[in-house]
Amino acid sequence: GQNIDQPTEMTATEGAIVQINCTYQTSGFNGLFWYQQHAGEAPTFLSYNVLDGLEEKGRFSSFLSRSKGYSYLLLKELQMKDSASYLCAPSGAGSYQLTFGKGTKLSVIP
Amino acid sequence: DTAVSQTPKYLVTQMGNDKSIKCEQNLGHDTMYWYKQDSKKFLKIMFSYNNKELIINETVPNRFSPKSPDKAHLNLHINSLELGDSAVYFCASSQGFQRSQETQYFGPGTRLLVL
Repeated sequence: GQNIDQPTEMTATEGAIVQINCTYQTSGFNGLFWYQQHAGEAPTFLSYNVLDGLEEKGRFSSFLSRSKGYSYLLLKELQMKDSASYLCAPSGAGSYQLTFGKGTKLSVIP
Repeated sequence: DTAVSQTPKYLVTQMGNDKSIKCEQNLGHDTMYWYKQDSKKFLKIMFSYNNKELIINETVPNRFSPKSPDKAHLNLHINSLELGDSAVYFCASSQGFQRSQETQYFGPGTRLLVL
């Protein structure tokens, strides 16, 4: 079975740094995706981690620890447009085995 | 150009009706998916097709029937609509399905409201 846990909501200030945590327990695991979903829109791809460690991509970084079943998404220099839900999604052996968490709704305030 | 498109964007209908949602992707991908996102924003896989063949069929009522006329299209037909079917339905596609790192690209969603 799949069990994915991430905070329901977070609030952060424009220009600040925020870390969104995700813990998972899955029957099969190969890698972990993070997707961003603005209200009323489709999820869009942010990052994919397969190896332990930090992957940096501009203002966004994603970290994975396979042994701990733990990942986080780090957003730097927050902008108002970063207000969205962030979905943690561990992946099994194939892309069809992608399971989404309930998402963390991030609100960026001035 | 829209990569993954869905029609209609909004669908309001009465209980008991039958409706279809269409999805098309112009990315040349082999694999397509249908997801349901309920009011609690939980995104759950329903079906997946690879080259017109069904590869995932999660625990979904058989009132839901996907059809893939070709690998660029995956339509969803729903019979005897119920109140609990109200949700946003997302279509997605990926290059393939056998590698875990295949990124899925989502359509804009179809907002279904059953009255």
